[in-house]
Amino acid sequence: EAAVTQSPRNKVAVTGGKVTLSCNQTNNHNNMYWYRQDTGHGLRLIHYSYGAGSTEKGDIPDGYKASRPSQENFSLILELATPSQTSVYFCASGDAPGGSQNTLYFGAGTRLSVL
Amino acid sequence: SQWGEENLQALSIQEGEDVTMNCSYKTYTTVVHWYRQDSGRGPALIILIRSNEREKRSGRLRATLDTSSQSSSLSITAAQCEDTAVYFCATSGANTGKLTFGHGTILRVHP
Repeated sequence: EAAVTQSPRNKVAVTGGKVTLSCNQTNNHNNMYWYRQDTGHGLRLIHYSYGAGSTEKGDIPDGYKASRPSQENFSLILELATPSQTSVYFCASGDAPGGSQNTLYFGAGTRLSVL
Repeated sequence: SQWGEENLQALSIQEGEDVTMNCSYKTYTTVVHWYRQDSGRGPALIILIRSNEREKRSGRLRATLDTSSQSSSLSITAAQCEDTAVYFCATSGANTGKLTFGHGTILRVHP
């Protein structure tokens, strides 16, 4: 059973529409992360969270919001989707409260196309 | 090498060959993570090396770390077709736990 589950797996959205990507983890990890993956850029961090009620900006937060209503759930919100946000989005949970040895456990990804 | 301004790298080898992937990173770190991503899946950690280890082995994998040159390498001995994947190195902020990933190396192993 997957410990990090993302939904939906595929999404087609219209420019200017609102998109919500959901992530659920059963690892009981405090930390959760949202990355996007584009060819030539690897994985880039959008937002992350240290626990319920907390959200932090990552390296490329513009155009995205995040919400962590509980230990298990972490959402990524695109209020006004643009074609440049077409990408594959990965959610991950982390097994350490901080420090350089934090191991991330990733979901299977959500492929988002904004037309 | 995975970082800096380099594009995504691609390597193509025959089954049974050895292969080495290199990674250079920008900011000081004491730990380098190596992740593997199979097609259609999220990345998964395969080996982690600390600065006091210099070399770490796990099965057919061997990782090295040189903090003076801010570089790491991942070697696979006697590659198999199932080693076909994208391999990323990553470093972590000391206090945040955030991982910063390199651009990755696409490895294709042909039978």
